[in-house]
Amino acid sequence: DIVMTQSPDSLAVSLGERATINCKSSQSVLYSSNNKNYLAWYQQKPGQPPNLLIYWASTRESGVPDRFSGSGSGTDFTLTINSLQAEDVAVYYCQQYYSTPFTFGQGTRLEIK
Amino acid sequence: QVQLVESGGGVVQPGRSLRLSCAVSGFIFSSYAMHWVRQAPGKGLEWVAVISYEGSDKYYADSVKGRFTISRDNSKNALYLQMNSLRAEDTAVYYCARGDGGNGGGIYWYLDLWGRGTLVTVSS
Repeated sequence: DIVMTQSPDSLAVSLGERATINCKSSQSVLYSSNNKNYLAWYQQKPGQPPNLLIYWASTRESGVPDRFSGSGSGTDFTLTINSLQAEDVAVYYCQQYYSTPFTFGQGTRLEIK
Repeated sequence: QVQLVESGGGVVQPGRSLRLSCAVSGFIFSSYAMHWVRQAPGKGLEWVAVISYEGSDKYYADSVKGRFTISRDNSKNALYLQMNSLRAEDTAVYYCARGDGGNGGGIYWYLDLWGRGTLVTVSS
């Protein structure tokens, strides 16, 4: 099974500043045949289901503000939130869909400093 | 309007069974793989199972393999999760979610649509 490890477990960032969340997979999720990284990011606010933010490691889902961006390849990935807004307070998860079981990271809780 | 609505949750004793359903509307259900994902109280997300668009391929997390069965009825736009031999550690909110590989695009896709979940509590 591919193990997904996020860092940090929690972080506090001031409004308007940048938040950076890392995700590392225990093996590469880059599929060489199509050069795609099978890595997604989700946002979950309290009492709500997860919401897709980023897929293929760096493609922003329709309707997601452009302050959210994803980067990385192979085994190391980053979710960056520029100009943090109050509504960005949530738990963020990475997930690999390269091979079953489609594992999630443990989550990173983002708060306002 | 796209909707995924889970039902069937409740309180059940250890060792008993429960069947969850997910009613889908607003998209061509038969073209998409579907997943179950769960979240124990105060914990993170755990992927549970996936079924291909036509129902022939099914994969499970090790924690539920042999106890849970995912199925679908494309004529009813419905996804199911049969849960047997339930344990306390199966207590969670269970979400159904769509894999975005439309037109029979396989199972290796991100989850783009989620239901609001149904709570299963396993307790004596």
